Amino acid sequence: SQTIHQWPATLVQPVGSPLSLECTVEGTSNPNLYWYRQAAGRGLQLLFYSVGIGQISSEVPQNLSASRPQDRQFILSSKKLLLSDSGFYLCAWSRGGNTGELFFGEGSRLTVL
Amino acid sequence: SQKIEQNSEALNIQEGKTATLTCNYTNYSPAYLQWYRQDPGRGPVFLLLIRENEKEKRKERLKVTFDTTLKQSLFHITASQPADSATYLCALDRAGGFKTIFGAGTRLFVKA
Repeated sequence: SQTIHQWPATLVQPVGSPLSLECTVEGTSNPNLYWYRQAAGRGLQLLFYSVGIGQISSEVPQNLSASRPQDRQFILSSKKLLLSDSGFYLCAWSRGGNTGELFFGEGSRLTVL
Repeated sequence: SQKIEQNSEALNIQEGKTATLTCNYTNYSPAYLQWYRQDPGRGPVFLLLIRENEKEKRKERLKVTFDTTLKQSLFHITASQPADSATYLCALDRAGGFKTIFGAGTRLFVKA
């Protein structure tokens, strides 16, 4: 069966510090990978998606970047965090060819102080 | 711009009753619509997907309807239980797209 792991679960960082959130998927090959952010009381906002190694599409201009160094690994990064980067970050995968269903990780709660 | 609207007010119902949640959308022509469940502090969990050419889909106690003319989906939970208490998210997709867009969700409370 397929599983998705996302870490760290909770992170408190000062403004201006770097960020790295990691996500790995097991039990499937060539998945589509996604990073979403969820603000309190709001819908999920798509940040990045990837259909293959090294292929990243950015949806929202922001202080963040994403990379896919391996088929089942997706990383969300920032060189200098802003207060507005605080939120709940979710990694997700879907089957290649996009059948629609998204399978989410448990999320990473980021607080920037 | 594309917009998905879900009732921002929480829905409170008694155990055993049917819960009905609404999802309306504008400026969008989805190929399919999905419903997810999200518990506090957790990632969303996929429940059901319905395609534009389908009117209704069922899974156990869940039923989803999709009216592309009204641009609306209804999500029903029959014989509701306290364990059904959660936030339910509506999501839309275009065919061949990767940009699933989500509503803000409706919080459901089922009282014993």
